[in-house]
Amino acid sequence: DQQVKQNSPSLSVQEGRISILNCDYTNSMFDYFLWYKKYPAEGPTFLISISSIKDKNEDGRFTVFLNKSAKHLSLHIVPSQPGDSAVYFCAAPGHSGGYQKVTFGTGTKLQVIP
Amino acid sequence: EAQVTQNPRYLITVTGKKLTVTCSQNMNHEYMSWYRQDPGLGLRQIYYSMNVEVTDKGDVPEGYKVSRKEKRNFPLILESPSPNQTSLYFCASSSLTGLGEKLFFGSGTQLSVL
Repeated sequence: DQQVKQNSPSLSVQEGRISILNCDYTNSMFDYFLWYKKYPAEGPTFLISISSIKDKNEDGRFTVFLNKSAKHLSLHIVPSQPGDSAVYFCAAPGHSGGYQKVTFGTGTKLQVIP
Repeated sequence: EAQVTQNPRYLITVTGKKLTVTCSQNMNHEYMSWYRQDPGLGLRQIYYSMNVEVTDKGDVPEGYKVSRKEKRNFPLILESPSPNQTSLYFCASSSLTGLGEKLFFGSGTQLSVL
């Protein structure tokens, strides 16, 4: 049972435009969500997170939105830059906030076209 | 520099030949974990450890062993590798100081079992 889903395997966006990456989850007990970015031949690196008590968190060009009623979160990148081309994973730690089970989505490969 | 170090980066082996992938972190993190990344499946947790001598199964533990004798090291052992264990493996670590703590990943080990 895939509790965290990223239904778009890939996304292409023009440089300067907005990139929107989506993530859906089924477990209403998740109380924290994180986004990781992965370049080829490297390990994933943390990008941004959001607590379930918030509906938005912003860090520079990156904003994550959380819609708990829809069990949906999205990562917005504005403006998109070629260096943003990477695979993005959303992730949810165990419902208690612990790390016994960090569930990852399948990833979305973003390509930003110059 | 804070880092998670995995070795080797690349490994080609044959079915049944025992191997160990090492993982070491220099951040004094309590939590360490192993993931495998496969196309279309994202990152799946193999084993995790909450502290020294405390380990537990993740989502796909079959065919793997781990040990946590020291806080900084968390080796992944394949006693009798099979071709379905061909994958990209990542070790990760985290502190347990609060909710939503981010994971720090190693650079990955690409394993091919022939």
